[in-house]
Amino acid sequence: DAGVIQSPRHEVTEMGQEVTLRCKPISGHDYLFWYRQTMMRGLELLIYFNNNVPIDDSGMPEDRFSAKMPNASFSTLKIQPSEPRDSAVYFCASSNRTKYNEQFFGPGTRLTVL
Amino acid sequence: GNSVTQMEGPVTLSEEAFLTINCTYTATGYPSLFWYVQYPGEGLQLLLKATKADDKGSNKGFEATYRKETTSFHLEKGSVQVSDSAVYFCALSDSGAGSYQLTFGKGTKLSVIP
Repeated sequence: DAGVIQSPRHEVTEMGQEVTLRCKPISGHDYLFWYRQTMMRGLELLIYFNNNVPIDDSGMPEDRFSAKMPNASFSTLKIQPSEPRDSAVYFCASSNRTKYNEQFFGPGTRLTVL
Repeated sequence: GNSVTQMEGPVTLSEEAFLTINCTYTATGYPSLFWYVQYPGEGLQLLLKATKADDKGSNKGFEATYRKETTSFHLEKGSVQVSDSAVYFCALSDSGAGSYQLTFGKGTKLSVIP
């Protein structure tokens, strides 16, 4: 299996621009998670889906952030408009309920907002 | 609620030294416990896990034992190598309480010097 795939790996944009991060989970996994990692706040869970349905979005920082999962093999995290404080590494992870919820992480997208 | 507390870093050791990274947890149910490792520039990888009390997880020379009486899951390795330099995260999953997300500790950075 190819593992969790994220794109792009690096994104540099200017303040005010829309940013879309993409994730393809491991085939057969029914949970998908979006995390953000910064030096100041560490690893934060933003939102997670079960069977393509958002279950808990309480970690989404504000209305500028939105996430979708139109099907079992694809999810997006969108920031509109982006701000410099959104600069971070964003990780996607997936899991299968029958495997004690061990999560498999993608390589991350490093976002820099100038 | 659930929480994970792990020792503050950074930890700097000489090659072949003994490693212990302490981790304690609070959970409402009977959690599964994990150690994840993050190498520089990469996503988190599952290092080892234990799913019930007294279980010992092991991988790549690392070990951790699920101690229910002390609510602990300390990570140990008898002889560290330079290649073990990374950030280590303790985490729990409390699916018995209906939650399929992981609760992470803040991470401990390990540097091993030759």
